[in-house]
Amino acid sequence: GQSLEQPSEVTAVEGAIVQINCTYQTSGFYGLSWYQQHDGGAPTFLSYNALDGLEETGRFSSFLSRSDSYGYLLLQELQMKDSASYFCAVRGMDSNYQLIWGAGTKLIIKP
Amino acid sequence: DSGVTQTPKHLITATGQRVTLRCSPRSGDLSVYWYQQSLDQGLQFLIQYYNGEERAKGNILERFSAQQFPDLHSELNLSSLELGDSALYFCASSVGHGGTDTQYFGPGTRLTVL
Repeated sequence: GQSLEQPSEVTAVEGAIVQINCTYQTSGFYGLSWYQQHDGGAPTFLSYNALDGLEETGRFSSFLSRSDSYGYLLLQELQMKDSASYFCAVRGMDSNYQLIWGAGTKLIIKP
Repeated sequence: DSGVTQTPKHLITATGQRVTLRCSPRSGDLSVYWYQQSLDQGLQFLIQYYNGEERAKGNILERFSAQQFPDLHSELNLSSLELGDSALYFCASSVGHGGTDTQYFGPGTRLTVL
């Protein structure tokens, strides 16, 4: 079956860099997505990786290694507004190509 | 603002009751997805409609049903409600029906079952 693992909580300091890891298990992999969700808010799309390598969008980057079934989200120059939960989600044949979501990583940023 | 609208924002009801949640997708999007998010949990995919037809089913209970209307808005019906159904229910929409399509989420409906 499909599964995703990501840390439940990560703490970092304002201005620093933080990496949130995600490992997955699925058949017929079809892409890894990252979403951000502030408390009480809706998930918003951050990035999508279908191929190996690094995708950069401003302060956020996402990396994928399909051979390792592993990806990460890198957040640079952390700001207090980046305090949120971050979800990785994967599409695979197991789920008929629907997004299966990790449990989320709560990012706590300290001044 | 994602362009996806959901009503109502909050709903409080009693066990055994039935409720209907409504979603309007972004203009031009043909797919609608429904998700359930319990407290401090990830999102559980419930069901997807594409252009009026059911496209995929996730962990949706038999007490729950949904449909997508010709104007592409969708409704999620929850019946015989139980305390454990209390959660945030999100609707999302996308242009197509899978693949690389980005999903855009509505603000959610917070359901409380007492």
